[in-house]
Amino acid sequence: GDSVTQMEGPVTLSEEAFLTINCTYTATGYPSLFWYVQYPGEGLQLLLKATKADDKGSNKGFEATYRKETTSFHLEKGSVQVSDSAVYFCALSDPLWEGGSEKLVFGKGTKLTVNP
Amino acid sequence: GAVVSQHPSWVICKSGTSVKIECRSLDFQATTMFWYRQFPKQSLMLMATSNEGSKATYEQGVEKDKFLINHASLTLSTLTVTSAHPEDSSFYICSARGQKFPYEQYFGPGTRLTVT
Repeated sequence: GDSVTQMEGPVTLSEEAFLTINCTYTATGYPSLFWYVQYPGEGLQLLLKATKADDKGSNKGFEATYRKETTSFHLEKGSVQVSDSAVYFCALSDPLWEGGSEKLVFGKGTKLTVNP
Repeated sequence: GAVVSQHPSWVICKSGTSVKIECRSLDFQATTMFWYRQFPKQSLMLMATSNEGSKATYEQGVEKDKFLINHASLTLSTLTVTSAHPEDSSFYICSARGQKFPYEQYFGPGTRLTVT
């Protein structure tokens, strides 16, 4: 079945450092890929997404590119802030419009702490 | 827009009792809602897919008689943990799927269940 593997944390960075969180996936079809963020005490929020190969999702300075050849969707940010401290989840789904079930499959999450 | 609430946010119950958790889409209608379970430092695991007006679809390994799901309206789904045991203690999260393309899932803040 479909699966998502993301780098295990925790990750601790200083403010303005460069961030990369690796994510690779296994899927039978052409899934949509997502990054969700969970801030302390809050629910998951969609950070960015990409629905086809070579698409780049971006939001709040974060970026991730859908790489079909390497089955990857790594999350990057050039300069992190203290407010970026959260848990980040990579996920995939086989979308409804391609005959999929649209169920989300999540990675285990990576906890990021950014120190001032 | 696209706000999903859960109630309660935190509940403690005794072994053998039942607990009901509500998931509401506040500003949109959701034909489909999803229930997830999240263990500490682990990923979200899909428990079941809840469709308005029909029976829920449970994932393999999830006891449907223990985790009763009712989706009686387009804005409300409930999860009842029956005869709860300490091993049911977990963080339960719901999501509601939008009715328009790209059918994004919006997540509730979660409910922390502790069974003593």
